[in-house]
Amino acid sequence: AQSVAQPEDQVNVAEGNPLTVKCTYSVSGNPYLFWYVQYPNRGLQFLLKYITGDNLVKGSYGFEAEFNKSQTSFHLKKPSALVSDSALYFCAVRDTWGATNKLIFGTGTLLAVQP
Amino acid sequence: DSGVTQTPKHLITATGQRVTLRCSPRSGDLSVYWYQQSLDQGLQFLIQYYNGEERAKGNILERFSAQQFPDLHSELNLSSLELGDSALYFCASSGQGNFQETQYFGPGTRLLVL
Repeated sequence: AQSVAQPEDQVNVAEGNPLTVKCTYSVSGNPYLFWYVQYPNRGLQFLLKYITGDNLVKGSYGFEAEFNKSQTSFHLKKPSALVSDSALYFCAVRDTWGATNKLIFGTGTLLAVQP
Repeated sequence: DSGVTQTPKHLITATGQRVTLRCSPRSGDLSVYWYQQSLDQGLQFLIQYYNGEERAKGNILERFSAQQFPDLHSELNLSSLELGDSALYFCASSGQGNFQETQYFGPGTRLLVL
């Protein structure tokens, strides 16, 4: 079965410092990986995705993610964190079994950026 | 703004009642997905429709049903509500519903069952 794991419930970082939110995946076949962000009382906003090609994927709001096949990881990164980046971040993998295209989400990582 | 709209934003009801959640996909998107977000279960896929037809089912209870109408909007019906059904219900849409596409999410409907 396809799955993703987000090993950290919370990540704390000071404003201006680089941030990393970790995600590992387990899939059969090619992985289709996504990052979403959820601000308080808001829906999920798409940040970026990896389908194929360059292992470094650039997304919205200055975020990027690095796909690492050997380590089965897809960590989200940003060179310089902002207080406004504080939110709940979800990694997801597309379930390609059968006819479903559902997303399988990790448990989420709360990012707290201190001023 | 993702272009996906959901109504109502909030819903408070009692156990045993029935409610209907509505979703309008982004213009041109044929696929609609429903997800449930709760504290104990996290984000879970419920059901997917493509151009009016059910395409896939996830962990959707028999008390729940959905449909997609000819104008492509979708409704999720929740009946015989229980306290444990309290959750945030998201709708998402994508173009054709294939593996490479991004799913764009609506703002959600927060359901509270008392």
